[in-house]
Amino acid sequence: DGGITQSPKYLFRKEGQNVTLSCEQNLNHDAMYWYRQDPGQGLRLIYYSQIVNDFQKGDIAEGYSVSREKKESFPLTVTSAQKNPTAFYLCASSTETSGRRNEQFFGPGTRLTVL
Amino acid sequence: AQSVTQLGSHVSVSEGALVLLRCNYSSSVPPYLFWYVQYPNQGLQLLLKYTSAATLVKGINGFEAEFKKSETSFHLTKPSAHMSDAAEYFCAVRTGGFKTIFGAGTRLFVKA
Repeated sequence: DGGITQSPKYLFRKEGQNVTLSCEQNLNHDAMYWYRQDPGQGLRLIYYSQIVNDFQKGDIAEGYSVSREKKESFPLTVTSAQKNPTAFYLCASSTETSGRRNEQFFGPGTRLTVL
Repeated sequence: AQSVTQLGSHVSVSEGALVLLRCNYSSSVPPYLFWYVQYPNQGLQLLLKYTSAATLVKGINGFEAEFKKSETSFHLTKPSAHMSDAAEYFCAVRTGGFKTIFGAGTRLFVKA
């Protein structure tokens, strides 16, 4: 079955540590996204990538970094510069062949807790 | 700039009652509109989408939504609520580029 996988499901980090969240898709989608979800705030865009080896900052990119070396993979690193990293992180992908009418497909999420 | 407003962060209905979740959008160009559902500790799943074809859009699990340009609304409805409908619902708009703007979400509670 095609879909998006995120790992791990739960992640605990000590303050001052960097941590990388994995996102893999086998849908052959060109575009991939990372969102942060906090209670009552909906989804906020961290980074997105339209094609391999290219990515753009979203609305809340500070303290995060990404890479897009392969079409199917879009890992997110939460650095120690992120002041309040405890949140639920969602990865998504979409195909852009028909323009902007296409929905995004979401992974199951990673819940990050800073101890 | 586009935006999405979901009226009511929490909605409670009785099982079998009508479900109405409200969404208003702001866009300077014709929008593409989406409703997603999220169950606890899971990702989002598409319920339905409006892409400038029929204004009444039918989705999965008996949900539907009507695009009303004059009211800039895209409210989600279901005639009869089921316990399994309890979840959080997000309205989203996409008008250009690669960004999709999500509303803050409405949590639906279904009482037995």
